[in-house]
Amino acid sequence: EIVLTQSPGTLSLSPGERATLSCRASQSVSSSYLVWYQQKPGQAPRLLIYGASSRATGIPDRFSGSGSGTDFTLTISRLEPEDFAVYYCQQYGSSPPYTFGQGTKLEIK
Amino acid sequence: EVQLVESGGGLVQPGGSLRLSCAASGFTFSSYSMNWVRQVPGKGLEWLSYLSSSGSTTYYADSVNGRFTISRDNAKNSLSLQMNSLRAEDTAVYYCAREWIYCSGGSCYSSLDYWGQGTLVTVSS
Repeated sequence: EIVLTQSPGTLSLSPGERATLSCRASQSVSSSYLVWYQQKPGQAPRLLIYGASSRATGIPDRFSGSGSGTDFTLTISRLEPEDFAVYYCQQYGSSPPYTFGQGTKLEIK
Repeated sequence: EVQLVESGGGLVQPGGSLRLSCAASGFTFSSYSMNWVRQVPGKGLEWLSYLSSSGSTTYYADSVNGRFTISRDNAKNSLSLQMNSLRAEDTAVYYCAREWIYCSGGSCYSSLDYWGQGTLVTVSS
């Protein structure tokens, strides 16, 4: 089973700053199957990035994803107040089909 | 508009059973594989179960295998999760989520593109 480790656990930044979130896999992951979600308190997760770097419908272009193999990154170029949330990476594999990272909380500094 | 609405959560005693439902609308339900994901309050996401569009293929997380059963009724646009032998550690918000498979340029991509709002299951005496 592939384990996804996200870092940092908590990231404290100010609006307007750049955020860089990391997701490291215990084994190589196909870029096609690396996904990022955003979750705000009391809400369901929201699809942000699929295929490691493709933005989902309606996602602003300040969100970008990159990486390959075992190291993937979610970057938010200029933080808006509504971006402060918890972010999860997820990979699609064979058994189990889905594995999530433990999440990174992006909080206002 | 795609909508997924879970129901059936509540308080149940350890060892008890509960059946969750997910009502789907706004898309051709029978064309999509579906999943259940849960989240202990304040904690991360845990994938639980997968069911193919036809209902012929299922997968379960080790933590629920043998206790939970996923099923669907494509005629009623409904997904279910039968939960037996419930434990305190099953206390969580349970989400149903649609699997989206997108293929382009020789590559296929998978994600969970729509989620319900979740239903809270509390296992306690």
